[in-house]
Amino acid sequence: NAGVMQNPRHLVRRRGQEARLRCSPMKGHSHVYWYRQLPEEGLKFMVYLQKENIIDESGMPKERFSAEFPKEGPSILRIQQVVRGDSAAYFCASSPGGSRMNTEAFFGQGTRLTVV
Amino acid sequence: GIQVEQSPPDLILQEGANSTLRCNFSDSVNNLQWFHQNPWGQLINLFYIPSGTKQNGRLSATTVATERYSLLYISSSQTTDSGVYFCAVIRGSTLGRLYFGRGTQLTVWP
Repeated sequence: NAGVMQNPRHLVRRRGQEARLRCSPMKGHSHVYWYRQLPEEGLKFMVYLQKENIIDESGMPKERFSAEFPKEGPSILRIQQVVRGDSAAYFCASSPGGSRMNTEAFFGQGTRLTVV
Repeated sequence: GIQVEQSPPDLILQEGANSTLRCNFSDSVNNLQWFHQNPWGQLINLFYIPSGTKQNGRLSATTVATERYSLLYISSSQTTDSGVYFCAVIRGSTLGRLYFGRGTQLTVWP
C-alpha cells in the first residue's frame, strides 16, 4: 500500500478555488483509479486511467472535475470552482494491468479535501 | 451496477473474541478484495480472493463465487483490529473498477 503515493494528504480550499490532487502509482503499475469517500460511506468509483488515456470516466461528475495521467509524471485529479459538497477523502489506487484486466488494486493514503 | 451488501454494519467485541463478517453481491464477479480502513483512514489490503479460502495470521477469508458471497473471519481479535472492513468486487464488464460495500465498523474493546 505504501507504494501508491498521494499528495497532499490534507488540502483546504475556499469555495470557488481549484483543487489539484496528485497520485503516483506503484512501480510497475500502469493503471490508475480515483475514488471518493464521503463521510460514513464506502468508496465510489470516479475514473479509470492508463497512461495518456481515460478508460472509464462514468463516475466523474459532468462538470468541474477532470483527470489525467500523462506520459510522464503523476496522475492528477482536478476540481475547479470547489463547493462545500466536494469535501471528502479522495483515494487513488493502482494495479498492474497488462493482459489480465482484473488484478489486485493497491490504495494510497488519500487526500482529505476540506472546502471552507 | 452491481450491489454489494455487507453485514453486520456495526460490530462491538471484547478483545480475544472471534467474528465473521459477510459480503453478498448481486451478480457474478471476476475478483473480490477485502480491505481494512484503520482509524487514520488508510486502506490496507487484506485479501485478494475471487474464489476459495486464504489465511493470513489471525485473519482468513472464503469466497463462494457461485453463491455470490464472501466471508472474512477474525480470530482472537485485538484492539488494533478496530476500524472499517470493506468488501469490493470487480465485474468483468467494467474493467478494473471496484464496487464497494458500505463496510462493517468493528470496535474492539480491551
